[in-house]
Formats: sequence, structure tokens, C-alpha cells
Amino acid sequence: DAGITQSPRHKVTETGTPVTLRCHQTENHRYMYWYRQDPGHGLRLIHYSYGVKDTDKGEVSDGYSVSRSKTEDFLLTLESATSSQTSVYFCAITAGRGGANTEAFFGQGTRLTVV
Amino acid sequence: GNSVTQMEGPVTLSEEAFLTINCTYTATGYPSLFWYVQYPGEGLQLLLKATKADDKGSNKGFEATYRKETTSFHLEKGSVQVSDSAVYFCALSGPSSNTGKLIFGQGTTLQVKP
Repeated sequence: DAGITQSPRHKVTETGTPVTLRCHQTENHRYMYWYRQDPGHGLRLIHYSYGVKDTDKGEVSDGYSVSRSKTEDFLLTLESATSSQTSVYFCAITAGRGGANTEAFFGQGTRLTVV
Repeated sequence: GNSVTQMEGPVTLSEEAFLTINCTYTATGYPSLFWYVQYPGEGLQLLLKATKADDKGSNKGFEATYRKETTSFHLEKGSVQVSDSAVYFCALSGPSSNTGKLIFGQGTTLQVKP
């Protein structure tokens, strides 16, 4: 195990409510990522972080914000959930300095349903 | 921009059959290429990777060769088992970005029947 814990594992929420997903790592790695997985799209990057308080947008960042106040925690927030954000969300980390050829380790995912 | 295209699934095979899952990519320069596997109810885990042209990645009987001339990274296994049933993702990283961000294909579901 790469020491990644996502919480909650399942959540059902109503349209318009705020939702925060948490990713916790025990590896002290610099890079952390949030992806969403949808049928026909594979995984797509939402946001990533390259250090405490250092974050950047990914391919599908609209409607999402992130925060990283400690090395071990990376939070993903849906400010006002919409049905299009129903998805499975994965957190990932990469070791060392990141890099294009670095293996990513994934959490077990959070299944979010917006009704 | 960079992109990855995988063959449509699902792929259904009998045990001990030969497996090929096609993957092609679009990128400037020389990205790193990966195959990740997702077993039911789990997150993704790295299956194999190749970081330069003509490299062959291999693991657990699976192989893939980085072909720059055809921009491909097809996954193969000579004899599949029921335990290989999973979703397989082709992905690339780089070359212009050094942040470890991954671009994934759509995923191919493999079902192996006894």
C-alpha cells in the first residue's frame, strides 16, 4: 500500500450543496493529484499540488477548488455540487520530485452521487 | 494537445487466449508511457511503463513496446487468466511538463472467462 486514504468512500449529496473530499498520505510526497473517472473518458485531472499551498489547475477544474495546508492532506471542494459532478474521484501521489516518468500511486476512490 | 486513444471495449476472452489492447498517443517530443490496471472496487496501480522509444515495459506476463514511429504502446499478454479481468488504462506523462500529471485513455475492460 502506498499510504493513501480517501474519505469518505461514498457520498450522496443534493444539488447546490458544498462537498469536501479528503486525501491523506503517509508518504510525505511532494506531488498530489485529484482525478475524476467517468465512462468513456478514463481519468481526467482536476487539480494538482506541488507543495504546501502550491496548487494548479488540471484539465477539468471548473466548479472545483483545492487546498493543501499540510504536506499530508489535499482537499477537493465542490462549492455547489451539480449532477455533472457525479463521478468517482481518485487521489494520487508521486514520489520524489514528480517528473514525467514517475509512478503514480492511487487511493481507492470516492464515489460521489449528486441528486 | 497531448492525448491517448485506446481500443473500445469490453474485450472478452477465454482463459489462455492471447491479449492485445491497442493504445496510440499524440504528443510533441518523447512522453513517458504507462499502462495502469484497475481491479474491481480498487484504485489504479501501475502495470508497466516505458520512458523512451523502443523501450519494452514488462510485468506479470504483460508487455508493451514504445513505438515512436507509430506513436503506439500496445499491451500484450500471451496467455490470460481469469484473474486478469480488470480495466486497463494507457496513459502518458510529459514531455513538456515535469509535474507527473497523467493523460489517460478511455480505459478498456477485459473479461476473461474460464
